[in-house]
Amino acid sequence: GAGVSQSPSNKVTEKGKDVELRCDPISGHTALYWYRQRLGQGLEFLIYFQGNSAPDKSGLPSDRFSAERTGESVSTLTIQRTQQEDSAVYLCASSKHAGQGYNEQFFGPGTRLTVL
Amino acid sequence: RKEVEQDPGPFNVPEGATVAFNCTYSNSASQSFFWYRQDCRKEPKLLMSVYSSGNEDGRFTAQLNRASQYISLLIRDSKLSDSATYLCVVTRLSNDMRFGAGTRLTVKP
Repeated sequence: GAGVSQSPSNKVTEKGKDVELRCDPISGHTALYWYRQRLGQGLEFLIYFQGNSAPDKSGLPSDRFSAERTGESVSTLTIQRTQQEDSAVYLCASSKHAGQGYNEQFFGPGTRLTVL
Repeated sequence: RKEVEQDPGPFNVPEGATVAFNCTYSNSASQSFFWYRQDCRKEPKLLMSVYSSGNEDGRFTAQLNRASQYISLLIRDSKLSDSATYLCVVTRLSNDMRFGAGTRLTVKP
């Protein structure tokens, strides 16, 4: 079946502009994650959604970052007043309900954001 | 100190070589451990889980040492296609994953 999709694949923006990144998880996956990966760096956890529970926002680096998810489907990550240090690949992943055990995370191809 | 630490490499090895990576974690409450593989400009994908008793999948062997808080990945008879970045992943709860920065491997002919 279809995997996790993200759009746009590339986004170039000017400093100070707002951007919105989209993630379509695998159908039936109730858990959705956003990560940031700077060039040559590991994955940095941003936010986690699980069903109708309150999201875990503990990884968001500043109040310029926010994310929403509609039910158990699409999620959008919004970055307001972008800064050059926001340049990175933003990866979305989804998994089945986490429950008591680990569920493999399936990643989308990412959105490469460049802030000029 | 980062919660999950890996030697960034790069490791440059010839085909057929055996190569090993280590990863250390700082949170003793960590419950689950994994290795993910990330090809250049691609998304990470699960390579294998790491169990206390150690586990093997073909040429790949993963081991966990809870006392010393490290996990390892051994690749035998390395292939050109093994060239990638290997990410160590540690979880405390099933939804609380922490990724290492990755170890880059290049296998050369």
